[in-house]
Amino acid sequence: NAGVTQTPKFQVLKTGQSMTLQCAQDMNHNSMYWYRQDPGMGLRLIYYSASEGTTDKGEVPNGYNVSRLNKREFSLRLESAAPSQTSVYFCASSRDRAKMRAFFGQGTRLTVV
Amino acid sequence: DQQVKQNSPSLSVQEGRISILNCDYTNSMFDYFLWYKKYPAEGPTFLISISSIKDKNEDGRFTVFLNKSAKHLSLHIVPSQPGDSAVYFCAAKETSGSRLTFGEGTQLTVNP
Repeated sequence: NAGVTQTPKFQVLKTGQSMTLQCAQDMNHNSMYWYRQDPGMGLRLIYYSASEGTTDKGEVPNGYNVSRLNKREFSLRLESAAPSQTSVYFCASSRDRAKMRAFFGQGTRLTVV
Repeated sequence: DQQVKQNSPSLSVQEGRISILNCDYTNSMFDYFLWYKKYPAEGPTFLISISSIKDKNEDGRFTVFLNKSAKHLSLHIVPSQPGDSAVYFCAAKETSGSRLTFGEGTQLTVNP
């Protein structure tokens, strides 16, 4: 019973490098989300996908792109990493929009030097 | 513009006593509220929720109260246990919305 799986768990990038964070859920959920957590700022929504085939910007989308590859998978791409993108990234999924009980992955700790 | 605010970054209580975590919101379109708990190096996990048509929801030791006129909700934990030590996030959803807006979080420490 894996739930939401994120890879990698840790990553160090140099400024300007690119990378993709992977997320997969096995709960047949329709909606998926990418958040970043920074000290004193809580969880801020980067992008979300309300259903397969759709993606929308959240609060802090600049510098990121996403792909909803299929119902299970939702990836987050940093095209040219910047130190300001040093953060902990969480992927989440939820079954429906009504109750929005989201399930989270364990997180990816990303450091950009 | 922080639409969900948790003004206390930290709270420390004695084991067995009540823990009260507070959350304020500004968006009157929020109609569903949730609390999440987060341990270090783990993702947040759902704890309890409340719809705007209610003013109280209880689940074991956890009770959430909603005061719509004050745009305020609180989470009560009674009795508090050392295993409750974690960061607690308040979150809210707009009517017909598809995303959650989170507060900054409150670090709860329950001392044995």
